Amino acid sequence: DTAVSQTPKYLVTQMGNDKSIKCEQNLGHDTMYWYKQDSKKFLKIMFSYNNKELIINETVPNRFSPKSPDKAHLNLHINSLELGDSAVYFCASSPEAGPNNEQFFGPGTRLTVL
Amino acid sequence: DAKTTQPTSMDCAEGRAANLPCNHSTISGNEYVYWYRQIHSQGPQYIIHGLKNNETNEMASLIITEDRKSSTLILPHATLRDTAVYYCIVRVGGNTGFQKLVFGTGTRLLVSP
Repeated sequence: DTAVSQTPKYLVTQMGNDKSIKCEQNLGHDTMYWYKQDSKKFLKIMFSYNNKELIINETVPNRFSPKSPDKAHLNLHINSLELGDSAVYFCASSPEAGPNNEQFFGPGTRLTVL
Repeated sequence: DAKTTQPTSMDCAEGRAANLPCNHSTISGNEYVYWYRQIHSQGPQYIIHGLKNNETNEMASLIITEDRKSSTLILPHATLRDTAVYYCIVRVGGNTGFQKLVFGTGTRLLVSP
């Protein structure tokens, strides 16, 4: 019954490694998002996809590469992890682009880079 | 992008109404006011949104002033589970129509027994 799910929930890794976070939504939504919440609790959008096409890219380093194999999935791959990448990453989805549609957020993935 | 200003924190007694204010004096005519909340260690949760009329749903009421420069989120009977950070957000996105939410620092609401 989970609407927006993310895996893994926790991810601990060494600097320089490459890792992926997966997101799936079973709501039939067209638009999906990735947000990052840092240690100071600021929540910022990173990317959004609509029907598998990249719409928003908020000057995120090239080490971050989102991939949307289909409308229900938006995965986040991170190359050459750095200490500053430690944060909680939230995936979200919304029915369609527009002002009247709420975003549904996943439970988050806590990434710790050592 | 229109900015919002919220108090850093507020307290509320359980069972009482929680009134959370938000200033958005630079809001433009086609921008909506959204409220989300984030309970500790969870993803943000949508509460309500409005353009210029007052809105009510099963979670809360949203009162927007006539000049639209401020709004108040009302939780009519706060419970301990309403303890969270509440974000007032003015929708951005320009002409693209895509809903980019810009989160500020929010108001940390503590509901006490």
